[in-house]
Amino acid sequence: TQLLEQSPQFLSIQEGENLTVYCNSSSVFSSLQWYRQEPGEGPVLLVTVVTGGEVKKLKRLTFQFGDARKDSSLHITAAQPGDTGLYLCAGKRRGSNYKLTFGKGTLLTVNP
Amino acid sequence: SQTIHQWPATLVQPVGSPLSLECTVEGTSNPNLYWYRQAAGRGLQLLFYSVGIGQISSEVPQNLSASRPQDRQFILSSKKLLLSDSGFYLCAWSVEEHGEQFFGPGTRLTVL
Repeated sequence: TQLLEQSPQFLSIQEGENLTVYCNSSSVFSSLQWYRQEPGEGPVLLVTVVTGGEVKKLKRLTFQFGDARKDSSLHITAAQPGDTGLYLCAGKRRGSNYKLTFGKGTLLTVNP
Repeated sequence: SQTIHQWPATLVQPVGSPLSLECTVEGTSNPNLYWYRQAAGRGLQLLFYSVGIGQISSEVPQNLSASRPQDRQFILSSKKLLLSDSGFYLCAWSVEEHGEQFFGPGTRLTVL
C-alpha cells in the first residue's frame, strides 16, 4: 500500500507555463517535506510544512499543506528549464520518530 | 555546516562479489542515519536506519546488511551481490524535529 500518492507521475511542459503537483494520503502527517532530485544526485530538501493549511513560498514555488494534514500541493509559476527534476513528497507520521514515508515522485521536464 | 559523503560514486561489480558502501557525516552529532535504494529515478525504498552506534533496524529482508561502527559512519554491505541489487544507493541523515532528511550524492551500483 502506497501511503503517499503523487500525481501526476510524469509532466512535460513548455517554459513559462504554470503547473501543480499533488501529494495525497488517507493518513495524517505531523509534517511533510518536498524534495527535488536531479539525475545522478541525491534529493535536496525544498521545504517543510507543519501546520494544517500552511502555505510557504520559495521564489516561484508555492507549497500548501492541507487543512487535515493529509495532503499537499506544489505549484510552480512560470516554469523554467532549471526546474526540471524529480519532485518527491515525504511525510512524517505521528508516532514514527525516525522514518519518513516517501511518495514515488513526479518527474517534471520543462522544455525551453 | 553539515556535510555528508558517500563513496564510491559509481561501482560495477560481478554477481556473487562482496559489497561495501560507506557514508560519513560531518558537522553534527548523534544523527539518525539511513540507507535507501532508488530504482530507475523513482521513489525511495528504505533499507536500513540507525539511531545510534551499533543500532540497526532493517526494513526489507534481503541479502544486504548495515553497520554503524562510529557515530557518523554508516556502512552498507553484502557478502554476495545479486543482479537485483543494482540501483542507486542513497545515504541520509536527520536530527531535525520534523524529520527532515539530508541526502548524500549517492552511489550508482551496477551488478553484472
